[in-house]
Amino acid sequence: EVQLVESGGGLVQPGGSLRLSCEVSGITFSSYWMHWVRQAPGKGPVWVARIDNDGSSTNYADSVKGRFTISRDNAKNTLYLQMSSLGADDSAVYYCVRDPAGYFDLWGRGTLVIVSS
Amino acid sequence: EILLTQSPATLSVSPGERATLSCRASQSISSDLAWYQQKPGQAPRLLMYGASTRATGIPARFSGSGSGTEFTLTISSLQSEDFAVYYCQHYSNGPKTFGQGTKLEIK
Repeated sequence: EVQLVESGGGLVQPGGSLRLSCEVSGITFSSYWMHWVRQAPGKGPVWVARIDNDGSSTNYADSVKGRFTISRDNAKNTLYLQMSSLGADDSAVYYCVRDPAGYFDLWGRGTLVIVSS
Repeated sequence: EILLTQSPATLSVSPGERATLSCRASQSISSDLAWYQQKPGQAPRLLMYGASTRATGIPARFSGSGSGTEFTLTISSLQSEDFAVYYCQHYSNGPKTFGQGTKLEIK
C-alpha cells in the first residue's frame, strides 16, 4: 500500500522554526521528484517547494525562498521541509506530494502548521 | 508566474445532470494541465493530467479537454460523490500554480 505520512506540524510562535517530515512507503521513493504543497483554511492549494529525485536540485516559491529548505533522505524514504522565520501567512496544512511528470498524483493527509502567539 | 482563472466559482447542478467547469491560463501552457477534486477534510485527488488523460481509477464520466489557454473539465452525469471543490493546476514553465477552485454543489 502506498503511503505518504506527514508529521511535525503544530503551533509555533511568529519568527519560530519547525521541521516537517514525510515518510513514504509502497513506492520507489528515490525515483521521484517530490514537493511540498500547502493549503490555508478555505483557500486553494499553493505550491511551496520541489526537490529532484537525488536531492541535487531544489526550487522554491518566492514567498518561502530563503526561509524554507526542502531536503530528502532516500535511505530513509523521507522528505523534509525545514521552515524558519515563520509568519501568520505560513499557517496552513502542509502536504507532501509525488511528482511523476509535473503533476501531483499522490498526496499525504497533511500536517497542520499554526503560527500564532 | 502563470495565473489560472477558474469559472464559475460555484456551480449548482442536480444529480444526473452534466457539469462543465472551466480553467483559463494567463499564457499558453500547451496541455500541461491537471485537475484535482477535493472533499472536506481530505487532500486533493488527481483526476486528470495532460488536460485530457484520466488518472488511475477515475470514472469515465470525467473528461477533460483543451490546450493552450482554455481548458474544460466535464462530468457527464453527476453522482452524489462528485459534489466537491475542483482545482486546475498547470505544470508548464515556472511555479506550478493552482486555480482558485470551483465548488460544485447540489442544486
